[in-house]
Amino acid sequence: QKEVEQNSGPLSVPEGAIASLNCTYSDRGSQSFFWYRQYSGKSPELIMSIYSNGDKEDGRFTAQLNKASQYVSLLIRDSQPSDSATYLCAVNGEIGNQFYFGTGTSLTVIP
Amino acid sequence: EAGVTQSPTHLIKTRGQQATLRCSPISGHTSVYWYQQALGLGLQFLLWYDEGEERNRGNFPPRFSGRQFPNYSSELNVNALELEDSALYLCASSLRGAETQYFGPGTRLLVL
Repeated sequence: QKEVEQNSGPLSVPEGAIASLNCTYSDRGSQSFFWYRQYSGKSPELIMSIYSNGDKEDGRFTAQLNKASQYVSLLIRDSQPSDSATYLCAVNGEIGNQFYFGTGTSLTVIP
Repeated sequence: EAGVTQSPTHLIKTRGQQATLRCSPISGHTSVYWYQQALGLGLQFLLWYDEGEERNRGNFPPRFSGRQFPNYSSELNVNALELEDSALYLCASSLRGAETQYFGPGTRLLVL
């Protein structure tokens, strides 16, 4: 069974601060990594994907990948109350499109 | 462009009954995925269909089954419902060969 681990939180940060969300995975063969945001009672929506070691930036979001450490993170700069949600880390499995999800980290941005 | 749609939004069944959930992918997407999200748990992969064929299934019993139609829409069937099947069932779609999956709003199944 592939495992994707996330701190469940809750993680609270003040508005304008940087929120840091972390994820580790067990399958060294994984090649694709995704971050989804899920508001309460809603379905997950894609924030970012990352495939190569290093950083990938998209607006206020930065994904970081370290395959040697089997670690992927998401940084949210200038956090806004609207960022309050559960953030899901997803990792692909051996057979292409099968995803393994972490249980998610609950983020609350305090105005 | 319309997103992934699912029906019904809510479904209430009693133990032992069968449930049928439906999903329509984004136009042009040929792959459909089904996930179960039980309360307090992460998304668990159920099934992956592409071009009408089941490509992979997760660690779920055979009473979870489905199919994909020629128009790429899909149906998830859960037979002999158990209380622990109560969950949010999410459908996602992607382009053929692409890994990025886009989710529908889900069907919330309650088994009494």
